[in-house]
Amino acid sequence: ETGVTQTPRHLVMGMTNKKSLKCEQHLGHNAMYWYKQSAKKPLELMFVYNFKEQTENNSVPSRFSPECPNSSHLFLHLHTLQPEDSALYLCASSQDDIRHSPLHFGNGTRLTVT
Amino acid sequence: RKEVEQDPGPFNVPEGATVAFNCTYSNSASQSFFWYRQDCRKEPKLLMSVYSSGNEDGRFTAQLNRASQYISLLIRDSKLSDSATYLCVVNRNAGNMLTFGGGTRLMVKP
Repeated sequence: ETGVTQTPRHLVMGMTNKKSLKCEQHLGHNAMYWYKQSAKKPLELMFVYNFKEQTENNSVPSRFSPECPNSSHLFLHLHTLQPEDSALYLCASSQDDIRHSPLHFGNGTRLTVT
Repeated sequence: RKEVEQDPGPFNVPEGATVAFNCTYSNSASQSFFWYRQDCRKEPKLLMSVYSSGNEDGRFTAQLNRASQYISLLIRDSKLSDSATYLCVVNRNAGNMLTFGGGTRLMVKP
């Protein structure tokens, strides 16, 4: 099994839809992350979970709602998105101390909001 | 000023060339530094951590200059497979918040 798996790989949704992105890690890590990568912009950290508890919310609009039911699974619930939210959404995991454990990224979900 | 700044490139070099990238960071309290590599339409992957004394991994050498707040990556004897975007990454506090630079694109030509 690959380390970090994200589904779906591609998603097209209208502004009134509700959808969810899923991430699963098989590495035994205890920290999980959502990042957003837009064209010509650096990766932006959205949320950090440590041992299932949200430890960072990087001023993300409420139309993005994360959920971490356990250390291996992470969801990003989406509702009433805007076209500018179209981007690649990357999930990552690591051990709890980022200084000694690299981020392992999933393949990402490419989201298009129409 | 951006927290982590990189020249976006692209750097076009022939095979076998030596190429260097620089990265500057704005927060003097930053503690940990990394270089990640991202291939086209793929996820980023850790290339190497950057230590205060400088460190080398094969053809790759990373340096940190805390006084000037910059990090460098040197690639010797470039290979075609080195073509990618190189991301400078900084951990600015004791938590798990990594800040990514915009990346420097390298294209190695035959």
